[in-house]
Amino acid sequence: DTAVSQTPKYLVTQMGNDKSIKCEQNLGHDTMYWYKQDSKKFLKIMFSYNNKELIINETVPNRFSPKSPDKAHLNLHINSLELGDSAVYFCASRRTSGGLNQETQYFGPGTRLLVL
Amino acid sequence: GESVGLHLPTLSVQEGDNSIINCAYSNSASDYFIWYKQESGKGPQFIIDIRSNMDKRQGQRVTVLLNKTVKHLSLQIAATQPGDSAVYFCAENRNTGFQKLVFGTGTRLLVSP
Repeated sequence: DTAVSQTPKYLVTQMGNDKSIKCEQNLGHDTMYWYKQDSKKFLKIMFSYNNKELIINETVPNRFSPKSPDKAHLNLHINSLELGDSAVYFCASRRTSGGLNQETQYFGPGTRLLVL
Repeated sequence: GESVGLHLPTLSVQEGDNSIINCAYSNSASDYFIWYKQESGKGPQFIIDIRSNMDKRQGQRVTVLLNKTVKHLSLQIAATQPGDSAVYFCAENRNTGFQKLVFGTGTRLLVSP
């Protein structure tokens, strides 16, 4: 009955590898996000999808490729992992209604990525 | 006690005290603001939000104040409890046609019994 879930919770990998993180929400939301939180706790948006369509892409290296197979899922694939990719990655979702864009985003528990 | 949310400062209070966490936001066009609480090892958890057409909103033990003139947001927690210990983030919505939240740097709240 978890609202926004992510897998895996921890991911330790070698530099140069390719890895994927998965996110699922059972809230019936139609907009999903990926955020990156660095070691100083700074939280920054990376991508957003609305109804499977990419709507926000925040100057993220093209090694990062999000994919939304349906409204309830947003996955993040990372190619050629670098040391600087080590961070906590959070998925979030919200329901869009009207045109005010003032609805709460709900976050998943995070995926802790460590690149060695 | 009070603190400004820059460079992840720490606010230490005693259980039962009232806490005030401050946040300066950057965009005068931001129209929606949210406070999140993040406990160690967990994702940010929604606390309270406020729209730009309001200057105060109250929840259970929490109050958010918005001063658009000086672009300042504060979170007041009444009767702070040890379970309130966490990092608190303010976020502003840069409504660029889609919701885009820009987060502040966070403030760590430590509550001593």
